[in-house]
Amino acid sequence: EIVLTQSPGTLSLSPGERATLSCRASQSVSSSYLAWYQQKPGQAPRLLIYDASSRAAGIPDRFSGSGSGTDFTLTISRLEPEDIAVYFCQQYGSSPRTFGQGTKVEIK
Amino acid sequence: EVQLVESGGGLVQPGGSLRLSCAASGFIFSNYGIMWVRQAPGAGLHWVSGISGSGGSTYYADSVKGRFTISRDNSKNTVHLQMNSLRAEDTAVYYCAKWDGYGDFWGQGTLVTVSS
Repeated sequence: EIVLTQSPGTLSLSPGERATLSCRASQSVSSSYLAWYQQKPGQAPRLLIYDASSRAAGIPDRFSGSGSGTDFTLTISRLEPEDIAVYFCQQYGSSPRTFGQGTKVEIK
Repeated sequence: EVQLVESGGGLVQPGGSLRLSCAASGFIFSNYGIMWVRQAPGAGLHWVSGISGSGGSTYYADSVKGRFTISRDNSKNTVHLQMNSLRAEDTAVYYCAKWDGYGDFWGQGTLVTVSS
């Protein structure tokens, strides 16, 4: 099973700042099959990024994904107040599909 | 518009059973897999099970293998998750999602509470 470790656990930033979230895999993720989700309190997860760097439909271009192998990054270029949420990564290159434990983004 | 609506959650005693349903609309249902993901209170996401568009392939997390069964009825655009021998640690919100490796559309979830 591939274990995904996200860091930091919590990120506190001011509006307009750049947010960098990390997702590290215990083994190489096949074909960069890695996704990022945003989950706001009381809501279902929403797909942001798939295949490591492809933005899902309707996602603002301030969200971008990068990485390959075992190291992946989600970047929010200019933090907006509505970006307060927990962000999860997920690998789907091997079974079982696994999620990271999440990074909580707070507005300072 | 893609929509997924879960139902069937509730309170059940340890050792009991529940059957969750996921009703889908807005896409060609038989062309896509569906997955179930759960989230215990205050915790992260945990992939539970998945089924291919045809229903011919099913997948389970080790933690539910042998206790949960996923199935689908493409004539009714519905996926079911039969959960038997439920344990306290199965308590969670259960989400279904349209599954293309990743989950691109999600339902709002249904709460399952296993407690005596």
